[in-house]
Amino acid sequence: EAGVTQFPSHSVIEKGQTVTLRCDPISGHDNLYWYRRVMGKEIKFLLHFVKESKQDESGMPNNRFLAERTGGTYSTLKVQPAELEDSGVYFCASSQILGSEAFFGQGTRLTVV
Amino acid sequence: QKEVEQNSGPLSVPEGAIASLNCTYSDRGSQSFFWYRQYSGKSPELIMSIYSNGDKEDGRFTAQLNKASQYVSLLIRDSQPSDSATYLCAVSQGAQKLVFGQGTRLTINP
Repeated sequence: EAGVTQFPSHSVIEKGQTVTLRCDPISGHDNLYWYRRVMGKEIKFLLHFVKESKQDESGMPNNRFLAERTGGTYSTLKVQPAELEDSGVYFCASSQILGSEAFFGQGTRLTVV
Repeated sequence: QKEVEQNSGPLSVPEGAIASLNCTYSDRGSQSFFWYRQYSGKSPELIMSIYSNGDKEDGRFTAQLNKASQYVSLLIRDSQPSDSATYLCAVSQGAQKLVFGQGTRLTINP
């Protein structure tokens, strides 16, 4: 069974540009989460989907971040326009049952220059 | 005060010894507790979950939870060089999002 996959693995963009990150959760996992780790800090929650619905988006930094999960399968996280402080590693995770173990993807390392 | 606190290390342990990793949390309503292992540049990998007070053993790993004292620990017996990694403590609030500590960097010396 495939794990959580994320694309791209690395992205370097200029300040002001747009970047879209993609996450494919484990098949059958209704719960999908986005997290971010900024250098030197702990991994922090961004938002949580249950199927296609946003259950909790309390961790989204601002309205430059837009997450979607159309059809309840894969999810995208778009940053527009990107700022320097958006640099970090963006992780996606999925779980089958709410509150159960979450499995993480390898992350997308985003560098904004 | 951070919601989940870990000693960032580095923690250095000789091969074959017991490595002890600790974590404290602030939210008394927390219900689920996880330990993830992360090798450099890789994804966090779940190694233990614990939901009730006491000990939970899985191979060389033992997780311990004390809700009254709000701490959770991870013991690694017979430490191997391959155990060298960053260990992340994560606490689930409201059965949804995980709150992570900064992680403890563990080095096992041959």
